[in-house]
Amino acid sequence: LAKTTQPISMDSYEGQEVNITCSHNNIATNDYITWYQQFPSQGPRFIIQGYKTKVTNEVASLFIPADRKSSTLSLPRVSLSDTAVYYCLVGPNSGYSTLTFGKGTMLLVSP
Amino acid sequence: DSGVTQTPKHLITATGQRVTLRCSPRSGDLSVYWYQQSLDQGLQFLIQYYNGEERAKGNILERFSAQQFPDLHSELNLSSLELGDSALYFCASSPRGLDEQFFGPGTRLTVL
Repeated sequence: LAKTTQPISMDSYEGQEVNITCSHNNIATNDYITWYQQFPSQGPRFIIQGYKTKVTNEVASLFIPADRKSSTLSLPRVSLSDTAVYYCLVGPNSGYSTLTFGKGTMLLVSP
Repeated sequence: DSGVTQTPKHLITATGQRVTLRCSPRSGDLSVYWYQQSLDQGLQFLIQYYNGEERAKGNILERFSAQQFPDLHSELNLSSLELGDSALYFCASSPRGLDEQFFGPGTRLTVL
């Protein structure tokens, strides 16, 4: 599985847009990029997944450049409840793939 | 609510003991995954079952074992417990052919 690198922590304020970038230089052709969110003492929750270009859903956008060696999770107008750890994962979308979680990015949103 | 249930929520036991954690996947999901999360190790994949068969193994100790039953619920057995086994244990399930995993609320294990 491709190794990922993301910032350990980020700070933001309510109402701002937050962009968390993940590096995955060794991404394979059949790998997808997936982001999960985890609140303290809760299980991770799927946010978004993409393969290339841009993917948007009701909570976030995922930007993937043409070389796919990095990706950026964009959270529009964050609120205090977005304070959590965000994990970037890269791997095949086979349905049988395992997830390798790194340390994640601890996002702290302040008033 | 992800639809994945785990019991018990909390478990306190002593070193050397054996415990069983239980997981019921979302209705229709054939894959079950077990993860361990501790403060120093982060979230680590332990093992995956698909429709009753072991599919993948991660960093699972020999003292740990798991199985998935015909009704698709799964159990994780932890034996000869050590202080270092204290952690949150998560179960996740996924539908066949899709990568999104749905995590349960976890079981917090404390070994004294």
